[in-house]
Amino acid sequence: QQKVQQSPESLSVPEGGMASFNCTSSDRNFQYFWWYRQHSGEGPKALMSIFSDGDKKEGRFTAHLNKASLHVSLHIRDSQPSDSALYFCAASEPASSGSWQLIFGSGTQLTVMP
Amino acid sequence: GPKVLQIPSHQIIDMGQMVTLNCDPVSNHLYFYWYKQILGQQMEFLVNFYNGKVMEKSKLFKDQFSVERPDGSYFTLKIQPTALEDSAVYFCASAQGDYAEQFFGPGTRLTVL
Repeated sequence: QQKVQQSPESLSVPEGGMASFNCTSSDRNFQYFWWYRQHSGEGPKALMSIFSDGDKKEGRFTAHLNKASLHVSLHIRDSQPSDSALYFCAASEPASSGSWQLIFGSGTQLTVMP
Repeated sequence: GPKVLQIPSHQIIDMGQMVTLNCDPVSNHLYFYWYKQILGQQMEFLVNFYNGKVMEKSKLFKDQFSVERPDGSYFTLKIQPTALEDSAVYFCASAQGDYAEQFFGPGTRLTVL
């Protein structure tokens, strides 16, 4: 079983609409959660991180974390065609060496239709 | 913003050959990572590297894989010998701190024939 389960696999929203992604983890060792965005042919770029319960807002992007249920979500309001990309959640956990390791979810392909 | 460069962008080699993937990390970063991604699927951690040493490696980091950063230059991933299942896009990342934001390069697409 994957440690970080992400849904949906794909999502289409109209321009100006709200896009929402969800991740659930199965490991209570996870301390930090990240959302990354990857445009086709490029490497992932971090959108935001969250490690406290509740909401964190940065511009059009809002992340929500519920540590009790190990659930993290990302919401994009006023979606733009340029937001079309692959979105990954990632969780940081301490590894046996003492270093931190990023575990990625399977990704959600977002298409924003003009 | 800070940029990580990867050379080459695409490499095609025959199975059994050696390949070296090069990464030019952000200049003041101290932590370096390699990830493997197949066909737009999830990113899978291979290895992280700090202070000249491998800190952690995953099950995907086979004995044929090695990493180094000689003289503070490129951070490299070497695969010797390559196998068909090594075909993937390999991403390098660097970070200032172990749990800080990781900055990813554009990837090297490796095709093993």
